[in-house]
Amino acid sequence: QKEVEQDPGPLSVPEGAIVSLNCTYSNSAFQYFMWYRQYSRKGPELLMYTYSSGNKEDGRFTAQVDKSSKYISLFIRDSQPSDSATYLCAMSGYNNNDMRFGAGTRLTVKP
Amino acid sequence: KAGVTQTPRYLIKTRGQQVTLSCSPISGHRSVSWYQQTPGQGLQFLFEYFSETQRNKGNFPGRFSGRQFSNSRSEMNVSTLELGDSALYLCASSWTRQGRNEKLFFGSGTQLSVL
Repeated sequence: QKEVEQDPGPLSVPEGAIVSLNCTYSNSAFQYFMWYRQYSRKGPELLMYTYSSGNKEDGRFTAQVDKSSKYISLFIRDSQPSDSATYLCAMSGYNNNDMRFGAGTRLTVKP
Repeated sequence: KAGVTQTPRYLIKTRGQQVTLSCSPISGHRSVSWYQQTPGQGLQFLFEYFSETQRNKGNFPGRFSGRQFSNSRSEMNVSTLELGDSALYLCASSWTRQGRNEKLFFGSGTQLSVL
């Protein structure tokens, strides 16, 4: 079993839809949780960075962390075609020197 | 402010050859990490350098090596290439050591194809 599980999709939604992306994990030592967006032929770009449980909102993006369930989510409101990309979750502990990534979910937002 | 720069963007090599990839971090960033990304395995950690010293290493064979220079620029080398080494190699920089949970900023990667 992988430490981080993420449904690779693909996920296709119409423009304006609310998108929900999720990851589960098994290592209770993870404390920092991140979401990256990766466009084709580009490196991952940091979208959201959260510590411990709770919600964080940034524009159309909301990240949620539920440490008791070992479950994290990213919501995208009013999705746009420009949101079409692969979304990677990532997490690390206090003193981990490397990070664990999910496999990535490929999202397509259709006009 | 310039982002993380990786060169070259694309490489085609044959089995048995070696390859060197280069990474220039964001100005002021002292930590450089390398990752391998493949469709099957996703992003996997190779190693991290901070102040010219390797601080952590992932589970890759000794054919994969790296170094960091005094200006924080980093190179990684893969010797005796195998077909399975075909991947996107990503470099990420951060202000301090990755272990302190600093945000990682990635370059666009080097796409390596081994024939």
